[in-house]
Amino acid sequence: ETGVTQTPRHLVMGMTNKKSLKCEQHLGHNAMYWYKQSAKKPLELMFVYSLEERVENNSVPSRFSPECPNSSHLFLHLHTLQPEDSALYLCASSQDAYGGANVLTFGAGSRLTVL
Amino acid sequence: GQNIDQPTEMTATEGAIVQINCTYQTSGFNGLFWYQQHAGEAPTFLSYNVLDGLEEKGRFSSFLSRSKGYSYLLLKELQMKDSASYLCAATDSNYQLIWGAGTKLIIKP
Repeated sequence: ETGVTQTPRHLVMGMTNKKSLKCEQHLGHNAMYWYKQSAKKPLELMFVYSLEERVENNSVPSRFSPECPNSSHLFLHLHTLQPEDSALYLCASSQDAYGGANVLTFGAGSRLTVL
Repeated sequence: GQNIDQPTEMTATEGAIVQINCTYQTSGFNGLFWYQQHAGEAPTFLSYNVLDGLEEKGRFSSFLSRSKGYSYLLLKELQMKDSASYLCAATDSNYQLIWGAGTKLIIKP
């Protein structure tokens, strides 16, 4: 496989469930990101990891918990979510976290519905 | 505050030309990106401008005016497959990406 792969593509969960989103990149990039995409709104940056170290956490509620075990894998652990958390969650990677023409390669996203 | 403005939706005809505008206000500026996102798919990189002027890449061109805080994406010889959302994003002085809400482009036969 090439590029950025996200699983699952679709997820429906209740507010008391615990689930995880998984992202894997096969590009040899050093930085990985989680974004939230809601209809007709700008992409919201949630977390940034550079060389497996978290470098950005944009005031995201603690019910979202990221994990980056190595530079190729990124997880987003979900628990006690609210209906307003329903959105498309995009994973992305780039060569480095900052600087210059830092082109992001995105995965196709995980569509999350919270009931 | 930091802000990106782009039209919510545009409609154009197959074979025609369309220009999608983007204005930005950021704390410092280091460059402007355009991404394309087809429904249900990943956003994909189209172009990056850091200097004033027009950058041409096949049927797609991107323009930047740093003094005006303005960019546009120009699509020529429109094809049905160009129906997608087009996302504008500017990098600020800390190289943080500030995103617009995207422009949904509808192509009609």
